[in-house]
Amino acid sequence: ETGVTQSPTHLIKTRGQQVTLRCSSQSGHNTVSWYQQALGQGPQFIFQYYREEENGRGNFPPRFSGLQFPNYSSELNVNALELDDSALYLCASSFGTNTGELFFGEGSRLTVL
Amino acid sequence: QKEVEQNSGPLSVPEGAIASLNCTYSDRGSQSFFWYRQYSGKSPELIMFIYSNGDKEDGRFTAQLNKASQYVSLLIRDSQPSDSATYLCAFTPKGGGADGLTFGKGTHLIIQP
Repeated sequence: ETGVTQSPTHLIKTRGQQVTLRCSSQSGHNTVSWYQQALGQGPQFIFQYYREEENGRGNFPPRFSGLQFPNYSSELNVNALELDDSALYLCASSFGTNTGELFFGEGSRLTVL
Repeated sequence: QKEVEQNSGPLSVPEGAIASLNCTYSDRGSQSFFWYRQYSGKSPELIMFIYSNGDKEDGRFTAQLNKASQYVSLLIRDSQPSDSATYLCAFTPKGGGADGLTFGKGTHLIIQP
C-alpha cells in the first residue's frame, strides 16, 4: 500500500511569486484535503477535492486554488505569495468526504522571503 | 466560529504514569472527534477517534467524550518516552467532513525517563 507523498519537501520563494505543491494520495483513497500549519499552530483546513472538484473550503482567499486529477492526485497553487504564507502545507487523503480519518503526507515546507 | 481549546503545555509526565490530555470545543453540532499525534518535524498521525459519548479504548490509549460538556480527553497509560510528541485534538462539524477538520493548537507532551 502506497502512502501519501508530497513534493517538493522544502522550497523558498519571494513575496509576490507563485507556487505549486503536489500530492499523490494513498492507494484506494479518492479524496484529498489540504491543510496549512504555521509554526506552533494546529493545521488549518484550506480545501477538499473529490471527483476532481472542490468539495469544501476553509477561510482562505481565492489566491489559494487547487486541482485534483483522475488518478486522485492533487495540486495546491498559491498566487501572489505573502510572508504569512510561510508554513508547512499538508496534504491528506481519505476514502470519502465525510470523514476525519485522514492520512497525511510529510508536508511541503514553504518559506516566503 | 468553531474553536478547539487545548493546553499547549508542555505537559511533563514520568515514564510509566498516565498522561491525561484535555480538549474543549465550541461547536455543539460537532459530530466526530479525533486525536492526532505529531512528532517534531513530522506530519500528524491519527491515533484515536470517537463518535459517541463515553469511553473508547485502544491498547494503551483511551479517548473520552462528553458532548453535553463539550469535552474530549485522551488518556495514555504506561507512558513511554516514544509517546513524547504534540497531541492535536480535532473535530468535524455537523454536516460532515467536507468542511474539514478543525484542529486545536496541540498539547506538547514530554515523557520523562
